[in-house]
Amino acid sequence: DAKTTQPNSMESNEEEPVHLPCNHSTISGTDYIHWYRQLPSQGPEYVIHGLTSNVNNRMASLAIAEDRKSSTLILHRATLRDAAVYYCILRDLHKKSSGDKLTFGTGTRLAVRP
Amino acid sequence: SAVISQKPSRDICQRGTSLTIQCQVDSQVTMMFWYRQQPGQSLTLIATANQGSEATYESGFVIDKFPISRPNLTFSTLTVSNMSPEDSSIYLCSVGGRRETQYFGPGTRLLVL
Repeated sequence: DAKTTQPNSMESNEEEPVHLPCNHSTISGTDYIHWYRQLPSQGPEYVIHGLTSNVNNRMASLAIAEDRKSSTLILHRATLRDAAVYYCILRDLHKKSSGDKLTFGTGTRLAVRP
Repeated sequence: SAVISQKPSRDICQRGTSLTIQCQVDSQVTMMFWYRQQPGQSLTLIATANQGSEATYESGFVIDKFPISRPNLTFSTLTVSNMSPEDSSIYLCSVGGRRETQYFGPGTRLLVL
């Protein structure tokens, strides 16, 4: 299974943009890039996902490199509520056995300063 | 979306005993999963709970230690058997297959003394 590499921790100031990087140099052509986050004392929640093109939703934007070997989750204006552990996960949606489950790495712990 | 509840939310147990954790979903779902999150660590998948058949366990997890039931499409239980302090973790259930968003329950915090 393709692996992802993320920085252990990052800090941001409130109301400033945050760019969370993820490297996935062994990504396969059918791997989708998913981001989940885990707020303190809660289960993980879905943030965004994409395959090749950049994606936007109400929570964040996902910028995917042209060679797909890296991606960046962008929070446009960080709030204190965005302090969480962010997980970048590859998921092959065409493979039933491996695509059904999520394989979590260590993630990036984001701290937001007031 | 799916709303998931877990019972109990937390428990403190004595070593050698067993605890059964319940996971209830507000709608019928095909795929249900159980994860473990040890203190300060990331999530690790324990097993896929299959409706009407035996659960599918990941490497390092066995049915005798973590028996799972899935009697219908909205409910599952995970039992942590013959507990030791190393079993102290957060146990989470989730739902959602590969073409769906996965939704997670709030977790069950277990402390084994």
